[in-house]
Amino acid sequence: EPEVTQTPSHQVTQMGQEVILRCVPISNHLYFYWYRQILGQKVEFLVSFYNNEISEKSEIFDDQFSVERPDGSNFTLKIRSTKLEDSAMYFCASSSGRTSEQYFGPGTRLTVT
Amino acid sequence: QKEVEQNSGPLSVPEGAIASLNCTYSDRGSQSFFWYRQYSGKSPELIMSIYSNGDKEDGRFTAQLNKASQYVSLLIRDSQPSDSATYLCAVNNGLSGGFKTIFGAGTRLFVKA
Repeated sequence: EPEVTQTPSHQVTQMGQEVILRCVPISNHLYFYWYRQILGQKVEFLVSFYNNEISEKSEIFDDQFSVERPDGSNFTLKIRSTKLEDSAMYFCASSSGRTSEQYFGPGTRLTVT
Repeated sequence: QKEVEQNSGPLSVPEGAIASLNCTYSDRGSQSFFWYRQYSGKSPELIMSIYSNGDKEDGRFTAQLNKASQYVSLLIRDSQPSDSATYLCAVNNGLSGGFKTIFGAGTRLFVKA
């Protein structure tokens, strides 16, 4: 069964460093998403992406964040200068249509020290 | 006003009983509605999607949607201890302009053996 994969599973970084979180969506999906979940809190929408451009982004997704689909399979989230409050689980998801079911990857736990 | 609201619980039911989970949403333009299950430390796992008013059944799960009341529910019949998890309601606005999915904070369900 096709699945969304994410790497790394855990990333530890120092405050101010850049991190890139990687995702491989399900192969025939065209819509991609990033979410984050701070420990004990709700899943928060960050950004949606389609046709090589951002469709919508939340207030969390400020200039420190960027997304890219560098090739036909990967979808990345970059945080330019990490802050302590960026520590969270980051989930990638993909779907076949803009209102279709989204399937989540296992997540990347980001710890900023 | 919160965009997607759920009772945080915990909701405790005995094994074999019906668990009823509820969700309300604020955006009348919402087009698609999802229920996810999330075990501690894991990513959200899709259980059900529903797009039109009425009931949709899949095995032990039934989703109900009432767009006029902006209300979505999930019934779990014959609840099992393995159903103990946090259940997330997610609402997608989908159709016009950008698209994003908003999650509720989740309802914790405990099924007692």
